[in-house]
Amino acid sequence: EIALTQSPVTLHVYPGERVTLSCRASQNVSNHLAWYQEKPGQAPRLLIYDMSTRATGIPVRFRGSGSGTDFTLTISSLQSEDFAVYYCQQYSDWPPLTFGGGTKVETK
Amino acid sequence: MQLVQSGAEVKRPGSSVKVSCWASGGTFRSSAFSWVRQAPGQGLEWMGGIIPMFGAAHYAQKFQGRVTIIADDLTTTIYMELSGLRSEDTAVYYCATDCDHLNFVMFSWGQGTPVTVSS
Repeated sequence: EIALTQSPVTLHVYPGERVTLSCRASQNVSNHLAWYQEKPGQAPRLLIYDMSTRATGIPVRFRGSGSGTDFTLTISSLQSEDFAVYYCQQYSDWPPLTFGGGTKVETK
Repeated sequence: MQLVQSGAEVKRPGSSVKVSCWASGGTFRSSAFSWVRQAPGQGLEWMGGIIPMFGAAHYAQKFQGRVTIIADDLTTTIYMELSGLRSEDTAVYYCATDCDHLNFVMFSWGQGTPVTVSS
């Protein structure tokens, strides 16, 4: 089973700041890495798949990057609607599909 | 593809729950469907998945023997049944689909079904 470790667990930021979230895989997952955003009371929403491809309708301020075992989600200028929990997910080797533990982005 | 799940459930410990997920607007048989749950205050946990055109479901080892996922081609509905319920199974259960990408990326999600296990 491939484990995904996200850091930090919580991030306190001001609107307008650049945000960098990390996801590290216990094994090489190639580019088979997705990012999701979850807000309270809502289902998760796909942001990025294949490590760097934005899903339909996702703003350009969200950027995925990395390779193999180390991945980053960057939000270039955090908007108020971006305060949420972010999860990475690997789909390289399954079952099981696995998620990271999440990073919560909160206002400073 | 849009996914609509069945409503909230309250169950007794030891019983079973069956949650449905109706898919519309896409290619059902060649899409991969997953069930993901989220316990209160916790992260996302994949339980298992199925691709209808291949038939067989795959499960996380944690749930092997307790979970069954089936696909009904006629009604384009995915079902997840979890047996031997315990309080730790209290969670919101989501179905999600890769919308015909055949990669288990979760492009579309259902609204979630809260399941409460309590005596």
